[in-house]
Parts: sequence; C-alpha cells; structure tokens
Amino acid sequence: EIVLTQSPGTLSLSPGERATLSCRASQSVSSSYLAWYQQTPGQAPRLLIYGASSRATGIPDRFSGSGSGTDFTLTISRLEPEDFAVYYCQQYGSSPRMYTFGQGTKLEIK
Amino acid sequence: EVHLGQSGAEVKKPGESLKIACKGSGYRFTNYWIGWVRQMPGKGLEWMGIIYPGDSDTRYSPSFKGQVTISADKSVSTAYLQWSSLKASDTAMYYCARLRFSSSWCDFDYWGQGTQVTVSS
Repeated sequence: EIVLTQSPGTLSLSPGERATLSCRASQSVSSSYLAWYQQTPGQAPRLLIYGASSRATGIPDRFSGSGSGTDFTLTISRLEPEDFAVYYCQQYGSSPRMYTFGQGTKLEIK
Repeated sequence: EVHLGQSGAEVKKPGESLKIACKGSGYRFTNYWIGWVRQMPGKGLEWMGIIYPGDSDTRYSPSFKGQVTISADKSVSTAYLQWSSLKASDTAMYYCARLRFSSSWCDFDYWGQGTQVTVSS
C-alpha cells in the first residue's frame, strides 16, 4: 500500500508570495494518477490538479503541478487571500486498488 | 450541471444503525464510480470505498472493510453508506465524490456537500 507524505504540515506565507507544497510517495506512482485538492473551512474538497500537472476546469493559472515517480509538487505562484486553505494530494494504486490521500498541508496567512 | 446532493446531518446513539445518501444528477449516474470519504473532526481525508452504480461492483479500503456497507440504487441515481452499529468514533463528516477514471487520469472531480454524522450517548 502506497503512503503519501505531505510537507510541510503547515506553511505560513503572505499574500503575493509563492507557495511550494510537497507530496512524497512511499513507492513510485503513475503521474496520470496523482491529483491535488483544495479544502477551505466548512467546504467540501475541490479538485485542483489532475494527472500531476493538468489544471481542473476553472482553476486559475497561478496553480501548477509537477513531478514524477515519488516526488510531486503543487506551486501557487502568487498567493491570493482565497488560497489560504488545506491542500491534499491523492493517488490511485491498482495493486491493491486504493485511492490514498496525503495527510494535508495547511497554508495559513503569515 | 453535475451535482451530488447528500442527505442531511444525523445525530445518533452508539449501537444505532444509519444509512446516508448521495444523489447524483446532471450526468449518467451508472457510468461513473462514486466514492465515500471520511473526515474526522480536525483531521484529513480518508478514502473508505467506492461503488460502480452500473453493476454495484464495490471496493473497500482495508481500514473500512466490515465496518460499513456501500450500496447504490441506479433507479434513483443514489449511492448509500450505511452502518449497522454506530460507535462514537464514527463521528465525522462524510463526503461522496464522483470518480473520473481513464488511462490519463484518476481523480474525484465532483463532491457532495458532506453529511455530518454525530454519535453520542
């Protein structure tokens, strides 16, 4: 079973700054099957990035995803006030069939 | 427009049974898997299981197998998550989400609003 470890646990930045969030897998993951989600307080998660690097519909281009193998990154180029939230990575593994989430990174206003 | 509408908040006692619902609309319900995700208070997302409403093929996370039952009724475009005997530790927000799957992607592209389940004596 693949384990996803996100770092840092909490990231404190100011609006306008660049955010870099990491997601590391315990074994190699297909890039096609790595996604990122954003969850703001009291709301359901929202799909941001799929296939490691493709933005979901309606997601601003300040969000970008990259990586392969065991190391993946979500980058927010210039933080807007609405970007302060919790971010989760998620992967699909076929053996066994699992849809595992990382533990999340909280992005907070400094 | 794709929409997943979940049933309302529940307050139950330990040992009681419960079935919560997730109704899909705006797309062909039988063509997409529906997953269930738990979020305990102040914690992260945990995948519980998934069902294909077209044929009710169901898969469970090892952590939840035997603890819950996932089902679907395609005639009313609704998936269900049920417990036969609730515990206090089942207190959480439960989300349903539509799975989008191909050789190029696998993700939960639409989510329900969540159902809060509170189990307390």
